[in-house]
Amino acid sequence: GQQLNQSPQSMFIQEGEDVSMNCTSSSIFNTWLWYKQDPGEGPVLLIALYKAGELTSNGRLTAQFGITRKDSFLNISASIPSDVGIYFCAGNQYGNKLVFGAGTILRVKS
Amino acid sequence: NAGVTQTPKFQVLKTGQSMTLQCAQDMNHNSMYWYRQDPGMGLRLIYYSASEGTTDKGEVPNGYNVSRLNKREFSLRLESAAPSQTSVYFCASSKIDNQPQHFGDGTRLSIL
Repeated sequence: GQQLNQSPQSMFIQEGEDVSMNCTSSSIFNTWLWYKQDPGEGPVLLIALYKAGELTSNGRLTAQFGITRKDSFLNISASIPSDVGIYFCAGNQYGNKLVFGAGTILRVKS
Repeated sequence: NAGVTQTPKFQVLKTGQSMTLQCAQDMNHNSMYWYRQDPGMGLRLIYYSASEGTTDKGEVPNGYNVSRLNKREFSLRLESAAPSQTSVYFCASSKIDNQPQHFGDGTRLSIL
């Protein structure tokens, strides 16, 4: 089946730092999504990307749909304590279901 | 708005017991999904319902059954629970199939 490789697995950063994480696949995807999951809650959609090369921002978050359609990255600028959580990428191909990466655990040192 | 509501939030079962997890959405979405989340493995699709009246298997359907009761409700049943089914179960919905999904807060299920 389709596989999404998400990296890094976890990050431990200083408050105020910028964060970058990415998702890659050997397959082409037509949609990339980024979700955040807080402890004890379900994933919440942060950003949706629909076109190769698309760059979309949501506050301090910026995500891009890779030009090859096989990858996507998420950047968080000036991290704050509430950025703690698990970030998931997800992608889908026409006619197939969403596939999720294993997640990046973000811990912020205040 | 409630969004996607799952009940119960927590449950402990003994091996062999049966149980139904409930999910309801109030967003008038056509498609609904059930996932399980295990450490280090992301979310894996168990079953989905692209529209009312249809259900299909996902990546890990063994040991589960589903019912799309109406447009709002999609239930997941474990007929004979096994310890390997200890997990966090998430229900999600989307306007149509393959659109961004909205998730409930999960059911934490432990099987002893």
